[in-house]
Amino acid sequence: QITLKESGPTLVKPTQTLTLTCTFSGFSLSTSGVGVGWIRQPPGKALEWLALIYWDDDKRYSPSLKSRLTITKDTSKNQVVLTMTNMDPVDTATYYCAHRLDGDYFDYWGQGTLVTVSS
Amino acid sequence: SYELTQPLSVSVALGQTARITCGGNNIGSKNVHWYQQKPGQAPVLVIYRDSNRPSGIPERFSGSNSGNTATLTISRAQAGDEADYYCQVWDSSTANYVFGTGTKVTVL
Repeated sequence: QITLKESGPTLVKPTQTLTLTCTFSGFSLSTSGVGVGWIRQPPGKALEWLALIYWDDDKRYSPSLKSRLTITKDTSKNQVVLTMTNMDPVDTATYYCAHRLDGDYFDYWGQGTLVTVSS
Repeated sequence: SYELTQPLSVSVALGQTARITCGGNNIGSKNVHWYQQKPGQAPVLVIYRDSNRPSGIPERFSGSNSGNTATLTISRAQAGDEADYYCQVWDSSTANYVFGTGTKVTVL
């Protein structure tokens, strides 16, 4: 059974750096074809893909946010960490992590964590 | 960058068929995936690779993809199908995942 869960601060101030952790179980990020991605959703708005890390440590970032994002993995801890620098109120959103396998879609999602950016 | 366009809303009578479109340049050459999202919940994959259903997804959900439009079809719509639906592709030219603008489905 695959599960993922996001954790991190619920409130950050503008210009601060956000660090989110995705802790998962039921799969290994060292297995060929596996990836973990981050997707966010501002209140009342659409889903937006942010970043993804593959089993071989290859990384992909949204072009519009690439300069602000870093994604890393700790295979031994079954965790993926996303950092986003220079946070702004427009970054207020629910942030999801999700499992990806081979087909370039996300078949399992975490419950999401709401991050509010406000002074 | 690659863009996917969906209608803002679709209404369907109870028991009838709803069709949700996802438009993109030559989308027929890509694999399209669909997610259902109910209020306050995480998205759920309902169709992958154009027309495949994950286990547990009712046969009432089906998909097709050709030319510049992909379509998610919900047959015999039920009240429980009310949700937002998003299409998604992998754009190999930019190595990016792209989500559609989302469609709110209302069952009347």
